[in-house]
Amino acid sequence: RKEVEQDPGPFNVPEGATVAFNCTYSNSASQSFFWYRQDCRKEPKLLMSVYSSGNEDGRFTAQLNRASQYISLLIRDSKLSDSATYLCVVNRGGGFKTIFGAGTRLFVKA
Amino acid sequence: GAVVSQHPSWVICKSGTSVKIECRSLDFQATTMFWYRQFPKQSLMLMATSNEGSKATYEQGVEKDKFLINHASLTLSTLTVTSAHPEDSSFYICSAYLGDLGARQYGYTFGSGTRLTVV
Repeated sequence: RKEVEQDPGPFNVPEGATVAFNCTYSNSASQSFFWYRQDCRKEPKLLMSVYSSGNEDGRFTAQLNRASQYISLLIRDSKLSDSATYLCVVNRGGGFKTIFGAGTRLFVKA
Repeated sequence: GAVVSQHPSWVICKSGTSVKIECRSLDFQATTMFWYRQFPKQSLMLMATSNEGSKATYEQGVEKDKFLINHASLTLSTLTVTSAHPEDSSFYICSAYLGDLGARQYGYTFGSGTRLTVV
């Protein structure tokens, strides 16, 4: 089993749609969680950290469920510019190492 | 702020030669730098963790003699791919841990990546 697993993609959605991604992690000692966005052939960029209480940033909402060991990302009112690969990133626990999920491709179409 | 400059952006080299990739933190001190490799349509795979002034810690399956990492200063970490072969062709990215600098800066900052092609 992979340490971090994400929903398989790609997700093809129309503009304005709401889309949700899930990510599960296997190490219960994981402490920090992030969502990153990666455009084709570019470096990943931090989208948002994921806090225990859940957090929202504009159209993006992140949730953490420690009991079930998963995090989620909800994108509301999808824009064409949201098309990218979304990476779930988990701190391995006890240090700074991070493990990336395989990523979920999102295509938002007009 | 918190920019990591990575060079070169792309490089083509002949099989058997060595290639050095540099990552510099421009406006902060990077005590810890991570090196990742990403093959097409695959996720970033952590290769090694580089700590300033000490030996790098390599992930299982990564040859430390082939991927030489040097982190001699708080602003510079280098990855040298020695005796490169076509199977080493990949996208290499460095990343520095930023710590908790505020909600939007908590996490890691990445270099722009180096696309290595070995022919």
